[in-house]
Amino acid sequence: EPEVTQTPSHQVTQMGQEVILRCVPISNHLYFYWYRQILGQKVEFLVSFYNNEISEKSEIFDDQFSVERPDGSNFTLKIRSTKLEDSAMYFCASRGDGVGYGYTFGSGTRLTVV
Amino acid sequence: AQTVTQSQPEMSVQEAETVTLSCTYDTSENNYYLFWYKQPPSRQMILVIRQEAYKQQNATENRFSVNFQKAAKSFSLKISDSQLGDTAMYFCAFMGGETSGSRLTFGEGTQLTVNP
Repeated sequence: EPEVTQTPSHQVTQMGQEVILRCVPISNHLYFYWYRQILGQKVEFLVSFYNNEISEKSEIFDDQFSVERPDGSNFTLKIRSTKLEDSAMYFCASRGDGVGYGYTFGSGTRLTVV
Repeated sequence: AQTVTQSQPEMSVQEAETVTLSCTYDTSENNYYLFWYKQPPSRQMILVIRQEAYKQQNATENRFSVNFQKAAKSFSLKISDSQLGDTAMYFCAFMGGETSGSRLTFGEGTQLTVNP
């Protein structure tokens, strides 16, 4: 079963520092996503990415966030200057053609900002 | 904007019994997709079952089935013969059709505990 791989599984960072969360989507997938889940809360959409550009972003995804697909396999989420409230589980997901099949999610990166 | 509501924050069931988790949603779209995701303590998001709104037949996947009521905008998940490994948070999720983006909108989740 193909997987979406996320690294690291857990990252602790100082407030104000930059972090990069990494994801390797399923190889033949074309659409990529980042979601976050603050502890005890619902899963929230951050951004979708297709054809090397952002196709949709939420109000959460402000100027502190950016995404990149630097090569043919990685998909990264960068937070420029982390805040305490950025502490959350961040999920990467990907899907192929055919929106109705849903996504495959990675196992998440737990980000703790101290 | 679409909204998804799960009104049961927590539920419990005895092993081998059947349990139904509720979900309602609000949308003005006619074509959309609905999903149930399972999140065990590992916190990975695992797709359980999906339903296409234009299909009247309720989806089934082994012990998991849905009751999709389009007019009522209701999408409940039935788990038959519950197993200890079914203990998890369950999220209902909505995705619009091709013309309205492919973001998933999640409900608040229902924590299901299967007791031995």
